[in-house]
This record gives sequence, structure tokens and C-alpha cells, in this order.
Amino acid sequence: EAAVTQSPRNKVAVTGGKVTLSCNQTNNHNNMYWYRQDTGHGLRLIHYSYGAGSTEKGDIPDGYKASRPSQENFSLILELATPSQTSVYFCASGEGYSDYTFGSGTRLLVI
Amino acid sequence: QQKVQQSPESLIVPEGGMASLNCTSSDRNVDYFWWYRQHSGKSPKMLMSIFSNGEKEEGRFTVHLNKASLHTSLHIRDSQPSDSALYLCAASSQGGSNAKLTFGKGTKLSVKS
Repeated sequence: EAAVTQSPRNKVAVTGGKVTLSCNQTNNHNNMYWYRQDTGHGLRLIHYSYGAGSTEKGDIPDGYKASRPSQENFSLILELATPSQTSVYFCASGEGYSDYTFGSGTRLLVI
Repeated sequence: QQKVQQSPESLIVPEGGMASLNCTSSDRNVDYFWWYRQHSGKSPKMLMSIFSNGEKEEGRFTVHLNKASLHTSLHIRDSQPSDSALYLCAASSQGGSNAKLTFGKGTKLSVKS
């Protein structure tokens, strides 16, 4: 069954540390997305990609980098984590007007 | 600024009642809307999508779209406690292969038995 898998499910990081969130999809979709979800803000787009080797800035890219080394994998990187980046992060894949499928999410706590 | 506005922020309906949720985009290039449902602690799951003017019905769920006003609404009839969730509206302003989904803040629906 096609799926979007995120890892880790939960992460505690220290302020100033580096954090990498990983996402793998078996949908064979060209497009992948990283969102964060905070109470009162809905889902906000951080970075997205239209294919291997490409990354684009979303609406709130500051403090985040992204990497798309292959069709299946899309990572979100926090080089210097801050408490304001404590959130739930969702990865999604999709294409055109299809159903955009979300992973189960990663809960990140930066202390 | 938020390009996708949803209302109301929260809604309480009795079991068996009708829930009506609204969504409007301020981006004139939007050409497609999705409605997602997210239960507490879970990931969003697509309910319905619409791109043509008019109405689309699937079971207890009906979606309307007015492209001229970029307004869509979701109506849930015979609401059940299991419908209690956060409902997210998403809009895309880039068709073809390079769609970029922008979400609203959501409407929290509570169905009381």
C-alpha cells in the first residue's frame, strides 16, 4: 500500500542543536511537502519539492533547510534548533489534483 | 497574510444535526479546493475535492464551490460524534504537476450526543 512514512515519531532536541526529520514515500509522487502545525495556525508550508534534487521555499522557510536526494526521500533540517520550532511536523506527497497523502507526523520539542 | 480563510473557528452541533463550514481564498489564481479532516492526534485525511462550480455529494458530505467568489463550503448532514474533528480547507493556485497547497487554520467541529 502506498504510504508516507516519517521518522522519528517523537524527538526532543536541545537549543542550538541540529535536527533532521525524515520522510519516505512509496506513492511515486514527484511532489513532496513539509508543513508544521501549531494551535491556531493550521498547517503552514515550510519547504516543498517537485522532484529529486529540487527544493523550494514555502511560506515560513526561515530557520529550516530541505533536501530531496531521491524521488522517495525528503528531509527537513534544523541547523540550529530553537524553542520556537517546537511543533508537530507533517510530510506529504502528491501530484497535480490528486489526493495529497500525509505522514503520521513528528512531534518535536526543543528545550 | 493567510490566503485561505475558514469560518467559523469552532462549531458545536447536536448529533443528527447539520454542520456547515466555510472557506474562502484571497488568491485569484486558485483553481482547486480540498477539504481534509483531522482527528485529534492524527494526520489529515482527504474528504473531498472540488474544482468546478456547483455541488458535489458523497454520502453525508456535500461540497459547494463558487469560483467567482473563490468560496467553498462543506456541509455534513446527520452529524455523528465520530465527525468531531478539525476540518481543514486547502487551495491550490498552480495546476498541472506543480501544485502548492495552502491550508486555512481550520474549523473545530464538536458533535454532541
